[in-house]
Amino acid sequence: GAVVSQHPSWVICKSGTSVKIECRSLDFQATTMFWYRQFPKQSLMLMATSNEGSKATYEQGVEKDKFLINHASLTLSTLTVTSAHPEDSSFYICSARKGLGNTGELFFGEGSRLTVL
Amino acid sequence: AQKITQTQPGMFVQEKEAVTLDCTYDTSDPSYGLFWYKQPSSGEMIFLIYQGSYDQQNATEGRYSLNFQKARKSANLVISASQLGDSAMYFCAMREGHQAGTALIFGKGTTLSVSS
Repeated sequence: GAVVSQHPSWVICKSGTSVKIECRSLDFQATTMFWYRQFPKQSLMLMATSNEGSKATYEQGVEKDKFLINHASLTLSTLTVTSAHPEDSSFYICSARKGLGNTGELFFGEGSRLTVL
Repeated sequence: AQKITQTQPGMFVQEKEAVTLDCTYDTSDPSYGLFWYKQPSSGEMIFLIYQGSYDQQNATEGRYSLNFQKARKSANLVISASQLGDSAMYFCAMREGHQAGTALIFGKGTTLSVSS
């Protein structure tokens, strides 16, 4: 089946630094990828929709300048947490849509756990 | 209003028993899809089952079945013959419309604990 890979799986950084998380679709092209954030024992909250070759669409309340999303190719989307602070510590998950139409062909990455000290 | 409601924060079941995880949804779009995912402690999202709004029959995948009651807007997940490895968090999710760029909206999840 299709695979979506995230890197890194774990990252620990100091407050004030920026962290980049990559999401790759390994065996299919994804025109659309989605970024979610999940706090412990809570739901996945959609942060933004990443569209190849255009600007990301952010959900209400998500700071565009804080969470930079780039979808430069059909197989790669990146999320950069800029000037990270401890409250940005979370589990970030991407998902990618294979093909078109309302089907179940949606694949998730393994997630990236960010800890900001 | 919440789009996806999971009212059971936690469920406990013994091995080999069946368990039903509740999910209700809210949408005015006639075309939508309903999903269930399993998330073990490792964090990965494991797709379990899908039900389209126009599907006439309830979806089934092995030990998983979806009790789709469209008029009640409910999409409960039934796990038959529970196994210890079923212990995880379970999320119900919905995608409205049929556009490729539509994201899934998730419920708050239910933690299932299976004991021997």
